[in-house]
Amino acid sequence: EAEVAQSPRYKITEKSQAVAFWCDPISGHATLYWYRQILGQGPELLVQFQDESVVDDSQLPKDRFSAERLKGVDSTLKIQPAELGDSAMYLCASSPREREEGEQYFGPGTRLTVT
Amino acid sequence: AQSVSQHNHHVILSEAASLELGCNYSYGGTVNLFWYVQYPGQHLQLLLKYFSGDPLVKGIKGFEAEFIKSKFSFNLRKPSVQWSDTAEYFCAVRKEYGNKLVFGAGTILRVKS
Repeated sequence: EAEVAQSPRYKITEKSQAVAFWCDPISGHATLYWYRQILGQGPELLVQFQDESVVDDSQLPKDRFSAERLKGVDSTLKIQPAELGDSAMYLCASSPREREEGEQYFGPGTRLTVT
Repeated sequence: AQSVSQHNHHVILSEAASLELGCNYSYGGTVNLFWYVQYPGQHLQLLLKYFSGDPLVKGIKGFEAEFIKSKFSFNLRKPSVQWSDTAEYFCAVRKEYGNKLVFGAGTILRVKS
């Protein structure tokens, strides 16, 4: 069964360092999502791509976070500089080209700890 | 802003007990409703969804949920839980077609064998 791949699975970094996360969606899925899940809370959408275009990045802290999906396939989420409050699980999800009953398929996530 | 409330953060049940997890949302227009589940060590996966039609929807593993529009609720139920249902359950709401998914804080269910 096809799955969303993410790497690394775990990342520990010091405050003010740069970190990057990678996501490879299910083949053929046009829509890609990055979520942040803080402990004890549900996932919160950071950015949504349709192919290589950003559809929604209203909750992305653009002073330190950036995301790209250059060829409309895999995607990278970057944080620079990392802050203590960025410690969280970063989830990637994908779905087929948007249709009314599109389901989002989630990857295993990257757990970030900022020290 | 649109919000989703899940009533209990932790629920502990014995096997064979009945389950009902509450979910309420704040948006008054047309919504799509979802329940996701995350088993220990696994990815978030879809349990069931409601878009339109019969307000009682059935999902995988014997779960069902009822959409009550007048109460802005989408509660998850299972008549008899098993130890393998131990997981975290998330309610999610999407306002109209194509808008972003908003998740509740989740309910951690532990089933004692």
